[in-house]
Amino acid sequence: AQRVTQPEKLLSVFKGAPVELKCNYSYSGSPELFWYVQYSRQRLQLLLRHISRESIKGFTADLNKGETSFHLKKPFAQEEDSAMYYCALSFRQGAQKLVFGQGTRLTINP
Amino acid sequence: DGGITQSPKYLFRKEGQNVTLSCEQNLNHDAMYWYRQDPGQGLRLIYYSQIVNDFQKGDIAEGYSVSREKKESFPLTVTSAQKNPTAFYLCASSTTGTGLNQPQHFGDGTRLSIL
Repeated sequence: AQRVTQPEKLLSVFKGAPVELKCNYSYSGSPELFWYVQYSRQRLQLLLRHISRESIKGFTADLNKGETSFHLKKPFAQEEDSAMYYCALSFRQGAQKLVFGQGTRLTINP
Repeated sequence: DGGITQSPKYLFRKEGQNVTLSCEQNLNHDAMYWYRQDPGQGLRLIYYSQIVNDFQKGDIAEGYSVSREKKESFPLTVTSAQKNPTAFYLCASSTTGTGLNQPQHFGDGTRLSIL
């Protein structure tokens, strides 16, 4: 069965420190993975997807198929990065579907 | 202004009452989804629809019903059979295709509470 695990419910780091939000997945096929973010009082929105291999707001995420991980990283955290982050796996079961991790609430301390 | 509109923002339900949550999109997306968000549990799929007049059950469909009579609209009814309806409900939409990398676009959500 498809599963996404985010082991940290809460993560707190100081401004300027590196950030890593962990995501592990379980899927027998070729995965398509996303990170979604929800800032305070805003709707859930796409942050980045692994297929794009891009850096968004300084964040990157590398798919490691050997470790079945898709950790989100940023070298220097900023206060505006405080938000709820969800890792999601896309798979096809009839339609394209997403399965989400439980989410990690990131707090950047000044 | 393109996007997904959910209404109402807050909704209260009495015991034994059915309530309907509205979701409208003007993104011309074929696929639409309903999720339930509970603290510490992430998002769980209730129902989804790939095309007008067709919809499928998600992982937690019991106690819910949907319709897809128009491409733009995908209302969710929370029936009295849903024993624990208090939650935050999110609607999403996406394009469809053979790939798996189409992102989903989300509405602002509806918070449903029981009186």
